[in-house]
Amino acid sequence: AQSVTQLDSHVSVSEGTPVLLRCNYSSSYSPSLFWYVQHPNKGLQLLLKYTSAATLVKGINGFEAEFKKSETSFHLTKPSAHMSDAAEYFCVVSEPGAGKSTFGDGTTLTVKP
Amino acid sequence: DTAVSQTPKYLVTQMGNDKSIKCEQNLGHDTMYWYKQDSKKFLKIMFSYNNKELIINETVPNRFSPKSPDKAHLNLHINSLELGDSAVYFCASTGRVGDSPLHFGNGTRLTVT
Repeated sequence: AQSVTQLDSHVSVSEGTPVLLRCNYSSSYSPSLFWYVQHPNKGLQLLLKYTSAATLVKGINGFEAEFKKSETSFHLTKPSAHMSDAAEYFCVVSEPGAGKSTFGDGTTLTVKP
Repeated sequence: DTAVSQTPKYLVTQMGNDKSIKCEQNLGHDTMYWYKQDSKKFLKIMFSYNNKELIINETVPNRFSPKSPDKAHLNLHINSLELGDSAVYFCASTGRVGDSPLHFGNGTRLTVT
């Protein structure tokens, strides 16, 4: 069975400082992992995905995530936050043959000027 | 060109009414989904269709009935609307379940009064 835990429901950073959004997963197989972003009143947009290739994955808008099997983690980072990064972020795990993806509960990122 | 489009964007209706939400994708994907996002931003899968066939039904009340006339369309009909049905409903599609990302529509905000 697959599951995902986003360790922080809210993260607040100042503009220009680093962003860290934490995600731990559980999977019986080699999963695919995704991060999605949802801006207010919008649908979800793919930030990046891990599908068993390089463990450091680069995404859009300067975000990246590192797959750490030993820690069952897939944390999302960005070196310098921008005001436009304020949004809801979802970590997602998907096992081959599962038929569906499992979403974390989301992390709300606030960026202060 | 919008990849996954839903209509309407907003839907306000009274308890007991019946309403439908439509979804279309032009990505050539075989699999489509309905997700429900509650007021706390939690996302829950409701249904999944693969090439017009229902493959996932996540203990959703019988008042909700999805219909897929072809693999590019997945509609959601809701009978006898209740206050608790108020939420944002997202349609999504994917090319290959598991390691391909989900493509989301912009959502339909349903308010039941």
